[in-house]
Amino acid sequence: DVKVTQSSRYLVKRTGEKVFLECVQDMDHENMFWYRQDPGLGLRLIYFSYDVKMKEKGDIPEGYSVSREKKERFSLILESASTNQTSMYLCASSPRGPLPNSNQPQHFGDGTRLSIL
Amino acid sequence: KQEVTQIPAALSVPEGENLVLNCSFTDSAIYNLQWFRQDPGKGLTSLLLIQSSQREQTSGRLNASLDKSSGRSTLYIAASQPGDSATYLCAVRPLKYGNKLVFGAGTILRVKS
Repeated sequence: DVKVTQSSRYLVKRTGEKVFLECVQDMDHENMFWYRQDPGLGLRLIYFSYDVKMKEKGDIPEGYSVSREKKERFSLILESASTNQTSMYLCASSPRGPLPNSNQPQHFGDGTRLSIL
Repeated sequence: KQEVTQIPAALSVPEGENLVLNCSFTDSAIYNLQWFRQDPGKGLTSLLLIQSSQREQTSGRLNASLDKSSGRSTLYIAASQPGDSATYLCAVRPLKYGNKLVFGAGTILRVKS
């Protein structure tokens, strides 16, 4: 069965800390994504990666960076955590297009609820 | 820019009712539309994916339809149960962006026993 695993369900950090969120998928997918989800704002794409060492900015990349050294692992990095980065973070993966891969669903992890104090 | 809207924002129904959730999108140039379920504090679970060439998809008590030309999709849930209580999100995969999804804000469903 498809599996996307996020390393932590809950995380509490302090402002100014460097924070790493890890995501691993076991489906050999080329695409991996990091979203954040906030009440009233829905899911917003932070970064995505379509191959090892490749990345593209999403809608809200400011204050974040990513690393994709291996195909199965995609890391989100908060360079200097701030309180406005308190949120639910969701990782997802999917096969890369074109058809028929572009008609495969995205699969999500269980999320990491991050609190910055 | 593709925008996705879900109506209603919240819905409360008694157990056993059939119900319909609505999703609309502004640009019909899409690969597919996907419906997800999200339980409180959890990630998203994919329910159904409708390709742009398809009209509907069914899985158990769930049926999703797609009218690409009018930019609409519906998720029909038959004989609702308390275990169906969750947030339901729809998302489209635009042709323009290739790999990305554009999400609606979701419908919060509560089925009362």
